[in-house]
Amino acid sequence: KNEVEQSPQNLTAQEGEFITINCSYSVGISALHWLQQHPGGGIVSLFMLSSGKKKHGRLIATINIQEKHSSLHITASHPRDSAVYICAAESGNTPLVFGKGTRLSVIA
Amino acid sequence: DSGVTQTPKHLITATGQRVTLRCSPRSGDLSVYWYQQSLDQGLQFLIQYYNGEERAKGNILERFSAQQFPDLHSELNLSSLELGDSALYFCASSDPNFSGSNYGYTFGSGTRLTVV
Repeated sequence: KNEVEQSPQNLTAQEGEFITINCSYSVGISALHWLQQHPGGGIVSLFMLSSGKKKHGRLIATINIQEKHSSLHITASHPRDSAVYICAAESGNTPLVFGKGTRLSVIA
Repeated sequence: DSGVTQTPKHLITATGQRVTLRCSPRSGDLSVYWYQQSLDQGLQFLIQYYNGEERAKGNILERFSAQQFPDLHSELNLSSLELGDSALYFCASSDPNFSGSNYGYTFGSGTRLTVV
């Protein structure tokens, strides 16, 4: 079974800072997902990637398949980015395995 | 609106009772997944249905059951409720070929269950 680890668990940043959240997994995957969960509870899918890098606005996700590692970067962070960020590993037809999440607070 | 509809949003019930949570997947998605999120456990996979058939089972208790109907909506039934069942329950849907989405899975807004 895949083990998914995220770091850090908690992160506080000043507005405008560049933020990096890390995710590592133990077993080869077919895709890695990054999710965002706001304080209200709803979950939004940010990225699904199996190689390389994807960018959406100020968010960038990268993955290194050989090192079994992915990062989520937020440029020019803003208080509205405050949320829990969760990575999830997908292997073939097996269900997603989730990390425990990184709680991000961006202070104005 | 993500396209995945979950009802009810909030549910408060007593121990020993039975509740039904409902999920309507995004139009065109054949797979429905149920997840439980409790404070100390994070997101845990419960069960997956694909076009009406059970496809995969996770850490789902015997007191819990689910089904997917011909119109593809799904229901999660929780019975003999215990205090520890209090959690957020999410469903998600996907297109098995991910042809209609860049992101693979679309999550509903969740049902917050409180057992008192």
